[in-house]
Amino acid sequence: GAVVSQHPSWVICKSGTSVKIECRSLDFQATTMFWYRQFPKQSLMLMATSNEGSKATYEQGVEKDKFLINHASLTLSTLTVTSAHPEDSSFYICSANGQGIGYEQYFGPGTRLTVT
Amino acid sequence: DAKTTQPTSMDCAEGRAANLPCNHSTISGNEYVYWYRQIHSQGPQYIIHGLKNNETNEMASLIITEDRKSSTLILPHATLRDTAVYYCIVRPNTGNQFYFGTGTSLTVIP
Repeated sequence: GAVVSQHPSWVICKSGTSVKIECRSLDFQATTMFWYRQFPKQSLMLMATSNEGSKATYEQGVEKDKFLINHASLTLSTLTVTSAHPEDSSFYICSANGQGIGYEQYFGPGTRLTVT
Repeated sequence: DAKTTQPTSMDCAEGRAANLPCNHSTISGNEYVYWYRQIHSQGPQYIIHGLKNNETNEMASLIITEDRKSSTLILPHATLRDTAVYYCIVRPNTGNQFYFGTGTSLTVIP
């Protein structure tokens, strides 16, 4: 149980375009979802926390107008990287927790974004 | 910000126990210790968590010192598939956010 999926697993986009990443909880209701970014050989950095039906809370230094997060249902959250630039190339990982599974976060497999 | 410190890397012989230490000297009374691991280019995997008492599950054991300022994750019989980066995380009292530190890169050697 507690499976989280992400789509796509990898994406290549051109500089200046926007790309959307989906995060789904498959077998539980995710009341809270989290988005992380991970650069090569570095640790995960929390970008934002989103509660279903509420605006996301962004960590200091993360541009909310550049990284749009929507958590419209208990099983789906999306991260849209707007006007992507090469420095946005990274591994984006979502996680979720919810009722009945405690405070553990269950992570998706990640999305590799490359901006050319 | 991460509230934990871990050794950067460790090696362990296959079949032996892997003992991964974590220092969390500023932990508060109700803050839990969580352990996750990340195999290359995958999302982190939950291992175990605890508050005060030692915990054991099918994957590992967690030993927390009496003063709660440090803990040790024990993989009883390490296999090659246990090669990964292991993260020790202190979950804050308020909110469910996890702030990852640098973790320990464990290499299991045949």
